[in-house]
Amino acid sequence: GDSVTQMEGPVTLSEEAFLTINCTYTATGYPSLFWYVQYPGEGLQLLLKATKADDKGSNKGFEATYRKETTSFHLEKGSVQVSDSAVYFCALTRGGGSEKLVFGKGTKLTVNP
Amino acid sequence: DVKVTQSSRYLVKRTGEKVFLECVQDMDHENMFWYRQDPGLGLRLIYFSYDVKMKEKGDIPEGYSVSREKKERFSLILESASTNQTSMYLCASTGTSGRARTQYFGPGTRLTVL
Repeated sequence: GDSVTQMEGPVTLSEEAFLTINCTYTATGYPSLFWYVQYPGEGLQLLLKATKADDKGSNKGFEATYRKETTSFHLEKGSVQVSDSAVYFCALTRGGGSEKLVFGKGTKLTVNP
Repeated sequence: DVKVTQSSRYLVKRTGEKVFLECVQDMDHENMFWYRQDPGLGLRLIYFSYDVKMKEKGDIPEGYSVSREKKERFSLILESASTNQTSMYLCASTGTSGRARTQYFGPGTRLTVL
């Protein structure tokens, strides 16, 4: 079945460091891919998304490119801030036009000043 | 802005109690979801509803039921709460127009079953 694998956390960085969170997927067909973020004490919110191969999603300085050849959707940010401390989830749409998402297990990021 | 609200942020119940978790969305969305979130397991889908009175089991429906009598409201029911249902419960909704539709999440209900 469809699945998402993302790098295990926790990840701890200093402010202004470069961030990469790896995400790979297994899916039939052509899923859409998402990154969601969960700030402490809150629900998830969409960070960015991509709907087809080679699309790049971007938001708030974060970027991810849909790579079909490597089945990956790695999240990157050039210079992280303390306010980026959160849990990040990679997700994909299930097959057959389903509304349902498959989520990775989440990666907790802590950014220290 | 889309708003998804959940009836309680924190809830403590006893084993065997019947528990109702309520979710309301204000965007006229057709689709609504209940997930549970556990450390190291991510989000797992419990139930999904694609219309009023319509529901579909997710990946872990055992021990849960749902009700959707009105479009804006989706309830999760624990018929007889057990300690292994202690978890964070998240509700989400999405519409049907466009591709790669965003799911909008509520703030979550942290349920403890003693």
